[in-house]
Amino acid sequence: DIQMTQSPSSLSASVGDRVTITCRASQSISSYLNWYQQKPGKAPKLLIYAASSLQSGVPSRFSGSGSGTDFTLTISSLQPEDFATYYCQQSYSTPPNFGQGTKLEIK
Amino acid sequence: QVQLVQSGAEVKKPGASVKVSCKASGYTFTSYDINWVRQATGQGLEWMGWMNPNSGNTGYAQKFQGRVTMTRNTSISTAYMELSSLRSEDTAVYYCARGGIYGSGYGYWGQGTLVTVSS
Repeated sequence: DIQMTQSPSSLSASVGDRVTITCRASQSISSYLNWYQQKPGKAPKLLIYAASSLQSGVPSRFSGSGSGTDFTLTISSLQPEDFATYYCQQSYSTPPNFGQGTKLEIK
Repeated sequence: QVQLVQSGAEVKKPGASVKVSCKASGYTFTSYDINWVRQATGQGLEWMGWMNPNSGNTGYAQKFQGRVTMTRNTSISTAYMELSSLRSEDTAVYYCARGGIYGSGYGYWGQGTLVTVSS
């Protein structure tokens, strides 16, 4: 199985900050990497697929990059509604494991 | 619009089984895989398995092999996930999620079903 490791596990930031979250795969997954946002009590929401493709309706302040084993999710200017938990997921092979999550909190 | 609507919360005793439904609308049910993902309180997302609604083919995470069964009823565009031999560690919110083309992630999710296992 491919293991996904996110860093940091938690992060404090302010509105307007630029934030980067990292996801590392235990082996190469090409560009088969997705990012989700989850708010308390809600289902996850797909933000980015195929490492860098923005899901329809997702604000352009979200962007993804990377290939192989190392990936990043960047939020260019944090908005109040962006405080949530973020998960990466590989879709290269079964099982399509998720990272452990990164909780983004207000500073 | 695409919607996945899940059945309501369940309370089960250890050793029992639970069957959660996921009714799809707004698209052709047989065109996209359905995945099941669970989340224990305060924990991360755990993939359980997938089903192709057209063929009925399934694939399960090793952890759940022998305990989980994913089925569908195409006449009512509904997918099901049944988990047996429940234990307290199975207490979680269970989500269905629609896959897209290969590698495109899960763009649509059900609202989640809380399954509580308690004696």
